[in-house]
Amino acid sequence: GENVEQHPSTLSVQEGDSAVIKCTYSDSASNYFPWYKQELGKRPQLIIDIRSNVGEKKDQRIAVTLNKTAKHFSLHITETQPEDSAVYFCAARGGGSQGNLIFGKGTKLSVKP
Amino acid sequence: NAGVTQTPKFRILKIGQSMTLQCTQDMNHNYMYWYRQDPGMGLKLIYYSVGAGITDKGEVPNGYNVSRSTTEDFPLRLELAAPSQTSVYFCASKRGGGVVEQYFGPGTRLTVT
Repeated sequence: GENVEQHPSTLSVQEGDSAVIKCTYSDSASNYFPWYKQELGKRPQLIIDIRSNVGEKKDQRIAVTLNKTAKHFSLHITETQPEDSAVYFCAARGGGSQGNLIFGKGTKLSVKP
Repeated sequence: NAGVTQTPKFRILKIGQSMTLQCTQDMNHNYMYWYRQDPGMGLKLIYYSVGAGITDKGEVPNGYNVSRSTTEDFPLRLELAAPSQTSVYFCASKRGGGVVEQYFGPGTRLTVT
């Protein structure tokens, strides 16, 4: 089945700097890659997603890139702000009839003012 | 719309007790999911349902049971609670089987002592 690895597990940046979180997946049939942001004690919320027929997608300060050949995708946050501090999870929608999401272990991002 | 709601928010169980975690969605979503989130880990799929009357196991189903008698409700049953089931439980739903966003409930924090 699908396996998703996420790095780094923690990331600390200065306000205004960029942050990059990387994920790799194992199932070449995976076709959908969402990113979730989870603030402390809150539910995960979708911030951006990308489908396998697209190489890059951008939404204001966040962007996601996908390399299907290498089976990895990345989240890029530019001009980081303290409110970006949270745990970020990547996920991959596995192949198979139900296509359930498989999540990475998360990256705790801290943005220092 | 209330979205996805879960009750209770917190619960402490003694070893061997049983309980049901409630999940309800008012978005008329066919697909519903139960995840558990252990500290420092991503979300692991326990059970899922693609419609009323249909359920299937996820990655970590042992010690749990589910039912789906209506589109709106997807309760998770813990029988003979064990300390290993201490976790935060999230219910989620999505409209269909394709590449669409999953919406998460607020979570239930369960401690088994």
